Parts: sequence; C-alpha cells; structure tokens
Amino acid sequence: EDQVTQSPEALRLQEGESSSLNCSYTVSGLRGLFWYRQDPGKGPEFLFTLYSAGEEKEKERLKATLTKKESFLHITAPKPEDSATYLCAVQATGRRALTFGSGTRLQVQP
Amino acid sequence: DAGVIQSPRHEVTEMGQEVTLRCKPISGHNSLFWYRQTMMRGLELLIYFNNNVPIDDSGMPEDRFSAKMPNASFSTLKIQPSEPRDSAVYFCASSLQPRFGQQSSYNSPLHFGNGTRLTVT
Repeated sequence: EDQVTQSPEALRLQEGESSSLNCSYTVSGLRGLFWYRQDPGKGPEFLFTLYSAGEEKEKERLKATLTKKESFLHITAPKPEDSATYLCAVQATGRRALTFGSGTRLQVQP
Repeated sequence: DAGVIQSPRHEVTEMGQEVTLRCKPISGHNSLFWYRQTMMRGLELLIYFNNNVPIDDSGMPEDRFSAKMPNASFSTLKIQPSEPRDSAVYFCASSLQPRFGQQSSYNSPLHFGNGTRLTVT
C-alpha cells in the first residue's frame, strides 16, 4: 500500500527565514511525486511534479527535490503570502489516482 | 479556462436525507476523481473515472455512496441516506491521462475544484 508521510505537521516562520518541508514516501513503483498548495476554503493548487531521483524544480521562492525515499520542499526567504498548507502526493506505476500526505501547515509571520 | 467547477459550495442537511454533489471537469480532460478531505484522515480517494467509465471505486465507504459520469462534462456523487460521519469537504479533480498501456513521460497533474463542504446534522 502506498504511503506518504509529511513533516512537520505545522511550521511557523518569520518572514525571510528559510526552511524545508519533508515528504517521505513508500510506493511500489514511482510514476510521479506531486506538490500542491492549499489555501483555506480552496482546493489544492498544483505546484510541481518530480519524476526521478535527483530531479529538482523551482518556482519563485520554492524549490522541490526528490530522492528515492523522500522529497523536500525548500522555501527561501518566505513571505506572508506563502502561508498555506503544502501537500505531497505520489502516483504509483499503473495507477491514475494520487495518494496524499496529511500536509504541512505553514505560517509566515511578517 | 474556468477550471473544475463544483456545486454547491456548501450543503447542510439532516441525517437520512439524500445529498447530490456535482462536478464539471476541465474541458478535454479524460480522467475525473472524487476525493474527500477531513481533519482526521486528510485527502482520501473515493472513486475515479477514465473516459467516463468508473475504474476504481475501492475508496467508496459503503453502498450509501454512488457516483456517475453520464458524459465527459459532468459527474455526480450521491449519498443516500446521509449520516453525520459523512460531514467533510468533497473535492472533484480532473486530468488528462495517457491511455492505459501507452507510454508517456508527460503526466498531467490533477486539477482540483474548490470543493463542497457537507455538513450532516
């Protein structure tokens, strides 16, 4: 059974204070690892897809990396508007649906 | 593009009543997914369709839940009868997936609607 574990559950940062979110996964065969952002009252919004170990993707202050067992979402010099819940999900080989982790609630204070 | 559209945004009903949630996927997408989100269990897959055909409904809690996709632009999730433990946010998502057996390095992500918050009293 595919499993995704995210840590920490919650993270409070000061504006400009860089940090990383962790996503550990167990999957029979990885077809893709996805990062989403979710704001209160909204659906998850797609950020990145990573396909193989060593791959990196960047978007503004966010950078996602992937190893064979985990993925990190690095946030550089965050701003208050980066406050949200960040969700990690895996798609196993041969499957269409995603298995999600429970998310990390990020709060960035000015 | 308007994105995935769900209705209603909020639904409050009494235990035992029938509830129908609606979803319009993004035009051109061939896969549709229903997820449920709660604080305790996070996002859980209920069912997904490919080319309007249900492929995996193993996440549907019990026979009280049913889903249909009569055409490529519309899907419903029905709960009958509803119970308080069904209270959650229900999300619909769509994507463009390669055909089974077709190799593709491109994997379209799931695009989510803004959900229906269901409260059963």
